[in-house]
Amino acid sequence: AQSVTQLGSHVSVSEGALVLLRCNYSSSVPPYLFWYVQYPNQGLQLLLKYTSAATLVKGINGFEAEFKKSETSFHLTKPSAHMSDAAEYFCAVTSNTGGFKTIFGAGTRLFVKA
Amino acid sequence: DAGITQSPRYKITETGRQVTLMCHQTWSHSYMFWYRQDLGHGLRLIYYSAAADITDKGEVPDGYVVSRSKTENFPLTLESATRSQTSVYFCASTGQGWEQFFGPGTRLTVL
Repeated sequence: AQSVTQLGSHVSVSEGALVLLRCNYSSSVPPYLFWYVQYPNQGLQLLLKYTSAATLVKGINGFEAEFKKSETSFHLTKPSAHMSDAAEYFCAVTSNTGGFKTIFGAGTRLFVKA
Repeated sequence: DAGITQSPRYKITETGRQVTLMCHQTWSHSYMFWYRQDLGHGLRLIYYSAAADITDKGEVPDGYVVSRSKTENFPLTLESATRSQTSVYFCASTGQGWEQFFGPGTRLTVL
């Protein structure tokens, strides 16, 4: 069975500071991992994805994530937060065994202080 | 318009009424999904479809019905709406890269 845990439902950083959003997963098969972002009153948008190629994945808006199999983690980072990064972020894991399903984490709301 | 669209964007209905939420995608993606998003529960899968005429239950299917007679459309019906079905509903589709493309959502209020 797959599962996703996002540590911290709320994260607050100052503008220009490092952003670190944590995600741990469990999967019985090699996973496909994703980070999505949701702005108010919108649907989710893909930030980046890991599909068993490079373990360091670069996404849009300066975000990146590193797949660490030994730690079953896929943390999202950005070196310098911008006010426009304030949103909710979802980690997700997908596999194609027993039907195509994606499991989403509970989400982490990022606040950026001026 | 290209992409994935949902209608209506906002809907208010009363307990016991039937409501249908529409979802349309222009990519010819095989897989389509319906989720509901509620505070404290994140995104929960209601139903999904692997292709036209192939649907399967997700995590919270009770009280919902889906159909998929055409690849591009995946309507979700609440047969007899209840207050617990007040939520934001998202439709999504998946292409070859396995990432999901989401519609803008439908905010449903059941009085």
